[in-house]
Amino acid sequence: IELTQSPGTLSLSPGERATLSCRASQSVSSNYLAWYQQKPGQAPRLLIYGASSRATGIPDRFSGSGSGTDFTLTISRLEPEDSAVYYCQQFGDSPRFTFGPGTKVDIK
Amino acid sequence: EVQVVESGGGLVQPGGSLRLSCIASGFTFVDRHMDWVRQAPGKGLEWVGRINNKGQGYTTEYAASVKGRFTASRDDSKSSVYLQMNSLKTEDTALYFCTSDSGYWSLDYWGQGTLVTVSS
Repeated sequence: IELTQSPGTLSLSPGERATLSCRASQSVSSNYLAWYQQKPGQAPRLLIYGASSRATGIPDRFSGSGSGTDFTLTISRLEPEDSAVYYCQQFGDSPRFTFGPGTKVDIK
Repeated sequence: EVQVVESGGGLVQPGGSLRLSCIASGFTFVDRHMDWVRQAPGKGLEWVGRINNKGQGYTTEYAASVKGRFTASRDDSKSSVYLQMNSLKTEDTALYFCTSDSGYWSLDYWGQGTLVTVSS
């Protein structure tokens, strides 16, 4: 299963809403879809698992939704520290984990 | 506090070998499947392989790109995992992250990575 993410880059202002898309080449169980945030020089950070469950300590301005082949990460009110690359990930039989190419979010 | 710390990266010639180590603390290591994920400079994330927990027989799984060259192992008594990398290629150059399976088909705890550079 291949994952594509759009847009490649998103440039928004603080307080705006960001909508990031992740599309799978085949249907994916919602249980198996996760989202990560990666800031420059840092390790990825798990944001969302099971398509819509927030990981521990993740602010509620981050939300995930979707099913089948189309999934969305929404950041409801952007803050400057949300500047990062966001990756979606699906869990499968082989390979175990596949990541999308990422969406870069720039906060103007 | 959860800590995951990788070590062992460095510069190696094509065809050479390197062994990465990862030590974890702050969570129940023995219960976790442990994974390696890499990131080539300026690129995205690529899953490399995993070693399952004792309950899953310490079985290992690998990406096609490294199968037959890389071997994952673990020592639960030391809360450590290892990645033996042989027959290294220039395309193996990357930052290698050690990470744990959350149990919810995602990766929750990550180290800061160790850089492997394969170059002559």
